[in-house]
Amino acid sequence: DVKVTQSSRYLVKRTGEKVFLECVQDMDHENMFWYRQDPGLGLRLIYFSYDVKMKEKGDIPEGYSVSREKKERFSLILESASTNQTSMYLCASLLLGARETQYFGPGTRLLVL
Amino acid sequence: GENVEQHPSTLSVQEGDSAVIKCTYSDSASNYFPWYKQELGKGPQLIIDIRSNVGEKKDQRIAVTLNKTAKHFSLHITETQPEDSAVYFCAPWGYKYIFGTGTRLKVLA
Repeated sequence: DVKVTQSSRYLVKRTGEKVFLECVQDMDHENMFWYRQDPGLGLRLIYFSYDVKMKEKGDIPEGYSVSREKKERFSLILESASTNQTSMYLCASLLLGARETQYFGPGTRLLVL
Repeated sequence: GENVEQHPSTLSVQEGDSAVIKCTYSDSASNYFPWYKQELGKGPQLIIDIRSNVGEKKDQRIAVTLNKTAKHFSLHITETQPEDSAVYFCAPWGYKYIFGTGTRLKVLA
């Protein structure tokens, strides 16, 4: 079974702090994604990566950056956390091929005070 | 840009009844049509998918139907059970995923 793990389930940070969210997958997938999930808005893509050191902006990249130094690890960085970044953050990985199934981690619920 | 609409946003059914959720998309290049289920406290998980060369696919109590001409596909759950209560997302794939806004299904015992 594919396993995607996220470093924290719950996180509380203060406005202006730099926040790191870590995601690790164990299935050697090339593609990894970061989404945020808000009520009534579904999942919105922040950034994705299709290879080590490669990254592409998603639909809502403002205020975020990412890092992919190793294939299995994809980090989301909030450079200066703001209250409107309070949300659920979901990481996913994908192996493109016959079936474009995304495998999700359990999510990190971030509260910015 | 591409648009995905999912209806209804909430759905309550009695246990044993059927539930249908519809997803409408705009990107004609979409060729893979999955449905994900998200239980409380967990990430979404694929439950069924269909490709554009197939009109219907069934897996026990769940089925997906696709109308590529009209650009919509639907999730059908028969004989609903309390454990079907969750949020369901459609996510048509063309060159990227666009998720619907989700349907909260409540199965009433």
